[in-house]
Amino acid sequence: NAGVTQTPKFRVLKTGQSMTLLCAQDMNHEYMYWYRQDPGMGLRLIHYSVGEGTTAKGEVPDGYNVSRLKKQNFLLGLESAAPSQTSVYFCASSYPTSILTYNEQFFGPGTRLTVL
Amino acid sequence: EDKVVQSPLSLVVHEGDTVTLNCSYEVTNFRSLLWYKQEKKAPTFLFMLTSSGIEKKSGRLSSILDKKELSSILNITATQTGDSAIYLCAVKTTDSWGKFQFGAGTQVVVTP
Repeated sequence: NAGVTQTPKFRVLKTGQSMTLLCAQDMNHEYMYWYRQDPGMGLRLIHYSVGEGTTAKGEVPDGYNVSRLKKQNFLLGLESAAPSQTSVYFCASSYPTSILTYNEQFFGPGTRLTVL
Repeated sequence: EDKVVQSPLSLVVHEGDTVTLNCSYEVTNFRSLLWYKQEKKAPTFLFMLTSSGIEKKSGRLSSILDKKELSSILNITATQTGDSAIYLCAVKTTDSWGKFQFGAGTQVVVTP
């Protein structure tokens, strides 16, 4: 099993450009998440999804959009990139809350995005 | 608003020292507390704690939850340079979708 994969691993954008980050998981997890990590701020939730076709806003959703057309994929879009979106982006997935034994989140390797 | 605070933010120790990391939380509908280790890449799972007073151990790492004090500690004994990492604490709530609230992390540097 590949677990959680993210593409691309690195990207440099100019202000105003758009891009899409792809997250894929092969663990049949219902829940998927997008986080950003900035120095000294831990992981902050951008958007999440509790199942195919559903998405919801997290803590810092402004400037981002997401889609979950297939259960195994969760896409994060930046429509008009800004320097404030320079960060490391992590995707994660997990089983639903009711399955306590598998409560942890599994993380992808991250995407380092720089917006100039 | 839910909050998870970790302390210290960073520390430097020598190989062989013991390290104690703290995580305190203020959340509604607490379910569990999780510890992750993050080296250069993705966070990797260490422990999940749901019951007060029950220590979880894995090698030189151990952790315990105190629901009365709304906190948890992570201990690392006989530290090695490979323990250098950011240690993240996350609290999971009973929200219908299982929100994880992360702390800012503690950066641990172990010097030879």
